[in-house]
Amino acid sequence: DIVMTQSPDSLAVTLGERATINCKSSQSVLYNSNNKNYLAWYQQKPGQPPRLLIHWASTRESGVPDRFSGSGSGTDFTLTISSLQAEDVAVYYCQQYYSTPPAFGQGTKVEIK
Amino acid sequence: QVQLQESGPGLVKPSETLSLTCTVSGGSISSYYWSWIRQPAGKGLEWIGRMYTSGSANYNPSLKSRVTMSVDTSKNQLSLKLSSVTAADTAVYYCVRGYYDSSGYYDWFETWGQGTLVTVSS
Repeated sequence: DIVMTQSPDSLAVTLGERATINCKSSQSVLYNSNNKNYLAWYQQKPGQPPRLLIHWASTRESGVPDRFSGSGSGTDFTLTISSLQAEDVAVYYCQQYYSTPPAFGQGTKVEIK
Repeated sequence: QVQLQESGPGLVKPSETLSLTCTVSGGSISSYYWSWIRQPAGKGLEWIGRMYTSGSANYNPSLKSRVTMSVDTSKNQLSLKLSSVTAADTAVYYCVRGYYDSSGYYDWFETWGQGTLVTVSS
């Protein structure tokens, strides 16, 4: 099974500043035949189900603000919030869908400093 | 827009079987893969398994011996059964839909139910 590890576990960022979350997979999630990384990012606010933000490591879902961006390839990925807003306070999860079972990172809690 | 609603007992006794239903509205249940994901309070997300409307299913190896999923297309419903539960199975259980298009099926989860809390306790 692929294990996903996020860092840090939590971070506090000043409003308007950049937040960066890292995600590492125990093996590559890059599928060579289509050159796509099978990696998604989710946002979860208290009392709500997760919301899909990004798939294919960098493709934003419809309606997701462009301050959210995903990057990386192979085993190392990053979710960046370019200018943190109050409504971005949440826990963020990465998830690989390269192989079964699909697996999530442990989550990164983003707070306002 | 498709909506998912989980339902079932909120309290299950240890060693008994947890049974949940997911009702799909606003769209057909057919031609999609449907998964169950759970989340213990304050913890991360665990994929339980997926089922296609043909009846084929894949389960997380960590739970495979205890999990059964089924589908009732006439009712637009999915079901999850987890046997021999313990306190470790206490969690919010989500019904989710994976992504499907002409290029195939992918286990990124774009549609989630609100989740239902199941507590295992005597």
